[in-house]
Amino acid sequence: SYELTQPLSVSVALGQTARITCGGNNIGSKNVHWYQQKPGQAPVLVIYRDSNRPSGIPERFSGSNSGNTATLTISRAQAGDEADYYCQVWDSSTVGVFGGGTKLTVL
Amino acid sequence: QITLKESGPTLVKPTQTLTLTCTFSGFSLSSSGVGVGWIRQPPGKALEWLALIYWDNDKRYSPSLKSRLTITKDTSKNQVVLTMTNVDPVDTATYYCAHSLYYYTSGQNWYFDLWGRGTLVTVSS
Repeated sequence: SYELTQPLSVSVALGQTARITCGGNNIGSKNVHWYQQKPGQAPVLVIYRDSNRPSGIPERFSGSNSGNTATLTISRAQAGDEADYYCQVWDSSTVGVFGGGTKLTVL
Repeated sequence: QITLKESGPTLVKPTQTLTLTCTFSGFSLSSSGVGVGWIRQPPGKALEWLALIYWDNDKRYSPSLKSRLTITKDTSKNQVVLTMTNVDPVDTATYYCAHSLYYYTSGQNWYFDLWGRGTLVTVSS
């Protein structure tokens, strides 16, 4: 079965750039989607198909995907960006797959 | 405006069957490229994808739970139902349904663009 690996936590200083990674075997050959989940709330799609932002998502959120690593980048991090972030792919053998999630802390 | 809402029991006993309903509005589940997925999240843990039903009634299940899950749709009622048999305390989780979008790039692909608020189900005797 296909597995996605995320760091448990990432910290970023206020106003700086946070990068959250999602590792998988040849993940660059797949499309990766990213979700933000704040405490007590449902997940929200922030990036789809590697690098596309849904309407309403700030331009500070961007994504890239190559080789064995996909990355969610949050520029000019704000206190309101503190959340858990999950990557997701659709795998032909495993079907839907989520990463283990990364807790982003803004210092 | 697309909305989804999960409903079902809050407490289920071990070995019983859990039935959850997703009632949605703002889209048609007969529209090409549209689906509804179910995802769960045990307290303090990660998201886990469970099942998805396509606009054409095709279905996909998590391999680890496939034998226990059934997903169906009632297009006229705008509802999707997920049943899980033989529940166990490890099935305690918040269960979400999500509007799902399909595209084809080197194979089938789905992502979840809008989610319901979720419903917490506790499995306990």
